[in-house]
This record gives sequence, C-alpha cells and structure tokens, in this order.
Amino acid sequence: NAGVTQTPKFRILKIGQSMTLQCTQDMNHNYMYWYRQDPGMGLKLIYYSVGAGITDKGEVPNGYNVSRSTTEDFPLRLELAAPSQTSVYFCASSQVTDTQYFGPGTRLTVL
Amino acid sequence: AQSVTQLGSHVSVSEGALVLLRCNYSSSVPPYLFWYVQYPNQGLQLLLKYTSAATLVKGINGFEAEFKKSETSFHLTKPSAHMSDAAEYFCAVSVTGNDMRFGAGTRLTVKP
Repeated sequence: NAGVTQTPKFRILKIGQSMTLQCTQDMNHNYMYWYRQDPGMGLKLIYYSVGAGITDKGEVPNGYNVSRSTTEDFPLRLELAAPSQTSVYFCASSQVTDTQYFGPGTRLTVL
Repeated sequence: AQSVTQLGSHVSVSEGALVLLRCNYSSSVPPYLFWYVQYPNQGLQLLLKYTSAATLVKGINGFEAEFKKSETSFHLTKPSAHMSDAAEYFCAVSVTGNDMRFGAGTRLTVKP
C-alpha cells in the first residue's frame, strides 16, 4: 500500500515552459487535493476533486489546471510557468471530511 | 471563511521539557480541527484531529490537544519533549472537508 505518490520529486523549469505534476493514490479515496507550500505561509489549496470528473477551485487556482479522469489520478498542469510558481507542491487524498493523507511533495523552481 | 492562527513561528524547548504549541481558530460553524507534523523534506502526517466527539484529543507520539470553544483554541501539548519531535507543526481547520485552511506553521527545536 503506497498511499499517495507524486512525481517528479524535483524539477527546474524556465519561464514560459509547461509541465504536469503527477499524483496517484491507491486508497480508493474520493477526495483529492493539490496544495502549494511557500516558506512561512503554510499550505494553500490550489484545486480539489470530489470524484472522477469533478474538480473545483481552491484558494489559489490561477496559473494551474487539473483533471480527474480516474479515482486514482489527479494531475496538476502548469501551462506558462512563472517565477511566482516556485514552491513545493503537495497532493493529498481523503474520504470526505476525514484525515487527509499527503504525498512526499514536488519541489519546483521556475527560473 | 474559517482560519487558524499559530502563535510563534519558532519554539525551542529542552529535551524532557513541556511542549506547548498554540493554535487559535476562527469559524462561524463548528469546525473540524487538525494538527499535522512535517519532518524535513517530507509530506505532512496527521498527529491528531478533533471531530466533536471529545474535547481532549490524544494523538500519536504522546501528543494531545484540547478543544476550548470559549477561547477558540486548540493548543498542542506533550509533557516531555524528545529529540525526535523536532519538526514543523501545522494547525488546520475545516468545515466541509474541501476547505482545509492551514496555519503558517511552528518550527519546534529540541535542545539536548
């Protein structure tokens, strides 16, 4: 039982490039989330999904897109990378309002 | 929307001393409250959660927290700090489950 896995662990992007952060969970959770963590700021919710085919914006969705075609996968897409998107990104999953289980994170630098 | 405030971005204690990390919340409806711990270069792990069943909540690794509605607080305590407790701790509040709001975090240092 791997829990929540994220790839890649690290990535450096140039301004204007695009990339997809991958997230997979094997706990059959309906709810999945993407957060970004900036130093001294805690975690901010980017997008979330309550099931396959259903996604919604969180606190800081600008510059990101998501899709949820399966229960297991919830990729996060950055279309035009900007320095302000330099952050650590965490994916999480849960059953409704229960505990959120976090992946190990992706550290992204945009130069 | 609900929010949490963690008082003190950095707390330092000696090994064996009491650990007290402070969290105050704001919510217009009864919330769910959580404490998470983050070790360096890792994701967050749940320490404990309050879901209205009991005001004193016991978690893993000897931590506990008490929900005080009158003070809108959910402070985290541990009677005796261990070196392995050094980490960053986050308080979080949620109402619907899709709306988790995290505090800015408190970094705990444990001195030998």
